Amino acid sequence: GQNIDQPTEMTATEGAIVQINCTYQTSGFNGLFWYQQHAGEAPTFLSYNVLDGLEEKGRFSSFLSRSKGYSYLLLKELQMKDSASYLCAVITGANNLFFGTGTRLTVIP
Amino acid sequence: GAGVSQTPSNKVTEKGKYVELRCDPISGHTALYWYRQSLGQGPEFLIYFQGTGAADDSGLPNDRFFAVRPEGSVSTLKIQRTERGDSAVYLCASSVAGSSLDEQFFGPGTRLTVL
Repeated sequence: GQNIDQPTEMTATEGAIVQINCTYQTSGFNGLFWYQQHAGEAPTFLSYNVLDGLEEKGRFSSFLSRSKGYSYLLLKELQMKDSASYLCAVITGANNLFFGTGTRLTVIP
Repeated sequence: GAGVSQTPSNKVTEKGKYVELRCDPISGHTALYWYRQSLGQGPEFLIYFQGTGAADDSGLPNDRFFAVRPEGSVSTLKIQRTERGDSAVYLCASSVAGSSLDEQFFGPGTRLTVL
């Protein structure tokens, strides 16, 4: 079966750095995606990792270790608008995304 | 350019009724996906189209659910004999070519409530 684990909720302070972890066990792996979803809105793409290592895009970075079935999303210089759910998703042998339940991040002043 | 659009944005229906949900993908995108998202959960895959054909419908929960994409653009998700457990947000996404690493662009979703 497929399984993706993420913390349910996290809280962090404006201007700080936060790391959201994701562990996965899937039958097949073609890549791992991170999406941001504000309440009542559609998910929007943040990053994807295929190979081990760190991918950096501005304030957001994502790391992957395929041997450990582990990824994290790093958000730097947190802003209030970063309050949202962050979804970890794996592309398996098929083309569909298998999503975790998401981590709800609250940024406080 | 326009993103993925979905209509209606909200649909309230009674148990046992039939509903149709529509998705207009980004122009030129050959791949189209339907997902269902319940409150507090991540999106759950339902079906994937490559062009006009359903390349993977393994996520459809039962035979009450059906989807079509007759001309390779607009898609309709059809639910027969709706049940209260079908209440969720139904998300549509499209991607350029359907490669597993193509970014999927999501629409705003249709919130379905079955009373």
